[in-house]
Amino acid sequence: QLVLTQPPSASASLGASVKFTCTLSSGHSRYAIAWHQQKPEKGPRYLMTVKFDGSHIKGDGIPDRFSGSSSGAERHLTISSLQSEDEADYYCQTWGSLWVFGGGTKVTVL
Amino acid sequence: EVQLVQSGAEVTKPGESLRIFCKVSGYSFTTYWISWVRQTPGKGLELMGSIDPSDSYAKYTPSFQGHVTLSVDESVSTAYLQWSSLKDSDTAMYYCARHQWELPPDYWGQGTMVTVSS
Repeated sequence: QLVLTQPPSASASLGASVKFTCTLSSGHSRYAIAWHQQKPEKGPRYLMTVKFDGSHIKGDGIPDRFSGSSSGAERHLTISSLQSEDEADYYCQTWGSLWVFGGGTKVTVL
Repeated sequence: EVQLVQSGAEVTKPGESLRIFCKVSGYSFTTYWISWVRQTPGKGLELMGSIDPSDSYAKYTPSFQGHVTLSVDESVSTAYLQWSSLKDSDTAMYYCARHQWELPPDYWGQGTMVTVSS
């Protein structure tokens, strides 16, 4: 059974970088994942797709400070030059016959 | 500009029926699937089902099969999610999202809060 595991929280100072992870369960390490951002009281916003080889394809209008990478079963999202507007929940997701979402990481800007 | 605009919040009672909508604009309605996702504090984000507006073919996640119905009206570029008999446990935020076949969603609606309470 495919499971996506995310740390519940992450934080960094204004202007700094934050990197967090979505870990694919055993046997699914080559899956691509999508990252979505959800701000309070808003619908999710698609950020990017990250593939097994680390390549990523961003959604429309996503700033350059958002980037993706990959290492084995881990898919990473890095936010550089962190801004207050980046405070949000971030979810990873796989797709196909059945969508699976991670539990989300709450990012706090200090 | 691609937009998915959902209907407003609903407060209903157990056993009642309900239909919420997702009206799209900024692209050709029939070229993207529409999926519906439920969000609750306890279970997070869950795919309920997906529908192809080009032919109204719908597929459902097993845990939602038989409890909800997906439909579309191509003439008004709108997708619908409906229940014939709501339960307390249907209280949740519901999102529509567009995607192409076998790809992740790239645009989401703003959400519709449904509250079911006697």
